[in-house]
Amino acid sequence: NAGVTQTPKFQVLKTGQSMTLQCAQDMNHEYMSWYRQDPGMGLRLIHYSVGAGITDQGEVPNGYNVSRSTTEDFPLRLLSAAPSQTSVYFCASCPGGHTGELFFGEGSRLTVL
Amino acid sequence: DQQVKQNSPSLSVQEGRISILNCDYTNSMFDYFLWYKKYPAEGPTFLISISSIKDKNEDGRFTVFLNKSAKHLSLHIVPSQPGDSAVYFCAASVSGGTSYGKLTFGQGTILTVHP
Repeated sequence: NAGVTQTPKFQVLKTGQSMTLQCAQDMNHEYMSWYRQDPGMGLRLIHYSVGAGITDQGEVPNGYNVSRSTTEDFPLRLLSAAPSQTSVYFCASCPGGHTGELFFGEGSRLTVL
Repeated sequence: DQQVKQNSPSLSVQEGRISILNCDYTNSMFDYFLWYKKYPAEGPTFLISISSIKDKNEDGRFTVFLNKSAKHLSLHIVPSQPGDSAVYFCAASVSGGTSYGKLTFGQGTILTVHP
């Protein structure tokens, strides 16, 4: 059981370039989300989805785009990378229900020069 | 404004002793609280949670205490083991379907357990 899979694990971009961070889950979870982790800031929610075709903004959505065409996949797109987007990105899925527990991927470390 | 705060960036404890990690929150709408553990180069993993209708939840060596009036929760690890050395994140959420998966995290506390 793979759980939540993120690719790539590492990426270096130049300012202005665009890219997509991929996220796939095989647990048939309804809810998926993207967080970024920065020193001293903890994890902050970028975008989330409550099901295929439904997405919404989190705390820090600017500069990012998402779509959810299938239950399994939730890609995060950086439209025009900026140095402020240098961070570690985590995708998570959640089955919903009483606990609201998140299952995280291993993370994608992005550096924008 | 940080709605969930972990004011201690780091904590160092001797093996076998108790580790106490603290977390404060400001949003009174939060009614579910979780602790996550994170090792380097890995994603966070769920550790323990507590609903606002309880004031204590225990799972093996881990106990979470919630003081709603003070908007404070703590995680106790007894006895602490070197394998517990990790970053611990406190998180909070508002219950309801559309809120599942929407957690507000604290900054994290680095726990080091010395042999």
